[in-house]
Amino acid sequence: AQSVTQLGSHVSVSEGALVLLRCNYSSSVPPYLFWYVQYPNQGLQLLLKYTTGATLVKGINGFEAEFKKSETSFHLTKPSAHMSDAAEYFCAVRKGYGGATNKLIFGTGTLLAVQP
Amino acid sequence: GAGVSQSPSNKVTEKGKDVELRCDPISGHTALYWYRQSLGQGLEFLIYFQGNSAPDKSGLPSDRFSAERTGGSVSTLTIQRTQQEDSAVYLCASSLSRDRDGTGSGNTIYFGEGSWLTVV
Repeated sequence: AQSVTQLGSHVSVSEGALVLLRCNYSSSVPPYLFWYVQYPNQGLQLLLKYTTGATLVKGINGFEAEFKKSETSFHLTKPSAHMSDAAEYFCAVRKGYGGATNKLIFGTGTLLAVQP
Repeated sequence: GAGVSQSPSNKVTEKGKDVELRCDPISGHTALYWYRQSLGQGLEFLIYFQGNSAPDKSGLPSDRFSAERTGGSVSTLTIQRTQQEDSAVYLCASSLSRDRDGTGSGNTIYFGEGSWLTVV
């Protein structure tokens, strides 16, 4: 079975500082990994995803994540935080095959606060 | 519209009443999902529809919860005899079923803005 652990339910950074949101996964088969962002009172929006190929994935709004199989991690980073990045971020995992019964499993989320 | 549409956006109901939440997926998307988001609980998978296949109901928390998808498009999530612990945001999502690798697993899942349910 697949599962996701997000370390740190709340992260606070200063504007301009590095953003690092941690995600570790557990999967018995090659995983597909996703990061979603949820702004206040809105639905979820895909930031980026890893399926196959390059392990460093670039997404929208300057975010990127690196799939590290040896560490079972998929941490999300952004070099310089902006006030508009304040939101809740969810890491998710899915089996890399078997689309017919293939649900997306989410972590519990990390709320990012950006201080001026 | 271009996105996943959910209605109602907000619903307040009395304990013990039944509620229906509607989801209209993106046109052409054959996969449809329901998730529940409770405060401090993250996103909980409820049910998944894929084309004409039997739905994956493994996430439904009790037999008070059911969902159907008519004509392979619109879906309705029904909660019978609502309880206060059912208060949450119910999110619907949809995706294409197949991509280049043939599984659809890498396809982006698009979410609606949710139906906020409050049981009083």
